[in-house]
Amino acid sequence: DAKTTQPTSMDCAEGRAANLPCNHSTISGNEYVYWYRQIHSQGPQYIIHGLKNNETNEMASLIITEDRKSSTLILPHATLRDTAVYYCIAKGAHSGGSNYKLTFGKGTLLTVNP
Amino acid sequence: NAGVMQNPRHLVRRRGQEARLRCSPMKGHSHVYWYRQLPEEGLKFMVYLQKENIIDESGMPKERFSAEFPKEGPSILRIQQVVRGDSAAYFCASSPGLAGGYNEQFFGPGTRLTVL
Repeated sequence: DAKTTQPTSMDCAEGRAANLPCNHSTISGNEYVYWYRQIHSQGPQYIIHGLKNNETNEMASLIITEDRKSSTLILPHATLRDTAVYYCIAKGAHSGGSNYKLTFGKGTLLTVNP
Repeated sequence: NAGVMQNPRHLVRRRGQEARLRCSPMKGHSHVYWYRQLPEEGLKFMVYLQKENIIDESGMPKERFSAEFPKEGPSILRIQQVVRGDSAAYFCASSPGLAGGYNEQFFGPGTRLTVL
């Protein structure tokens, strides 16, 4: 799995967009970018994943650069409940019994302030 | 639609005792994964199981730890003769096991093991 680099921490004002960056300069062509988050004392929660096209779901948007060396997770209107550690993971698609290990780094602690 | 369930949520054991952690996957999911999170560290993969089969246990300590996922009932992570260093949060995840499809992992709330 490609190594990812994320800032240690970020702050965001409630109601504003939170933009969380992730560098994955060694990502290979068949590796996806996954985002999970872990709210304090809870299990990780899947947010979104993508290969090369931008993706959006009810939780967030994922913007992947054209060269795929970096990406940004966007929470459009952050709330206090979005305070969590956000993990960016690059790995192959979990398909047919392969590429199943999720490797969690230290992630980014996002603090949403009132 | 119930999510992944783990019990107990908190478990206290004395050194030398056994710890049994249970995980019931989401309905329709046949693949289970266990991860461990030591204090102030990220989650580390331990083991991947399908019904009645251990697929990959490369992240499991070689001694005292075992896991199973029987045909009926929950997956069990068993730690024999616990030591203080086993104190951690243990998370279980499950996925549908779609051959050729994307298998997102859904995590449970975790079991926090404290060894006195």
